[in-house]
Amino acid sequence: EAGVAQSPRYKIIEKRQSVAFWCNPISGHATLYWYQQILGQGPKLLIQFQNNGVVDDSQLPKDRFSAERLKGVDSTLKIQPAKLEDSAVYLCASSPGLAGVRGELFFGEGSRLTVL
Amino acid sequence: SQQGEEDPQALSIQEGENATMNCSYKTSINNLQWYRQNSGRGLVHLILIRSNEREKHSGRLRVTLDTSKKSSSLLITASRAADTASYFCATDVYGNNRLAFGKGNQVVVIP
Repeated sequence: EAGVAQSPRYKIIEKRQSVAFWCNPISGHATLYWYQQILGQGPKLLIQFQNNGVVDDSQLPKDRFSAERLKGVDSTLKIQPAKLEDSAVYLCASSPGLAGVRGELFFGEGSRLTVL
Repeated sequence: SQQGEEDPQALSIQEGENATMNCSYKTSINNLQWYRQNSGRGLVHLILIRSNEREKHSGRLRVTLDTSKKSSSLLITASRAADTASYFCATDVYGNNRLAFGKGNQVVVIP
């Protein structure tokens, strides 16, 4: 079974530029998550989708971050404009569950963003 | 939001020794999960323990859960160099759709 695919793996941009990350979850997984992991810290949930609907985006900085999950499969996370403090690893995860989180999450390798 | 807190933050042990990490949390949970993260990689699920369970085993891993103390421990027996990683606890908080992660424990196993 193929895992969660993410791209790009690494991205370096100047502050105020924009960047987009892509995620393809495990086939059949209804729930998709984007987490932000700052160096030395645990992952922080940015947004959670159930199929193509948003379940939780309370910690997403909506003035600069946006995410979509068209057709309930792939997802894109965008940052515009980027700030220095956005330097982090952006992790995508998926799970088969429909009703919130009751089981394990399957993570991709992450996209490491450096903002200069 | 609910977040587990692991203790100790960093652990260095010799190969063959046991490694124990603790995690505390603040509110009622549905389950508690442990994940491993190798340097530069994504997180890998290790084990899930439900709120009505007290102990669970998986290979060389042993997890305990004490809901009265709101704490969990992860024991890795007979550690190997390949166990060198960061370990995170994550809580599935009752009434919340969010899985919240702690800050993580960095474990170094010296060959």
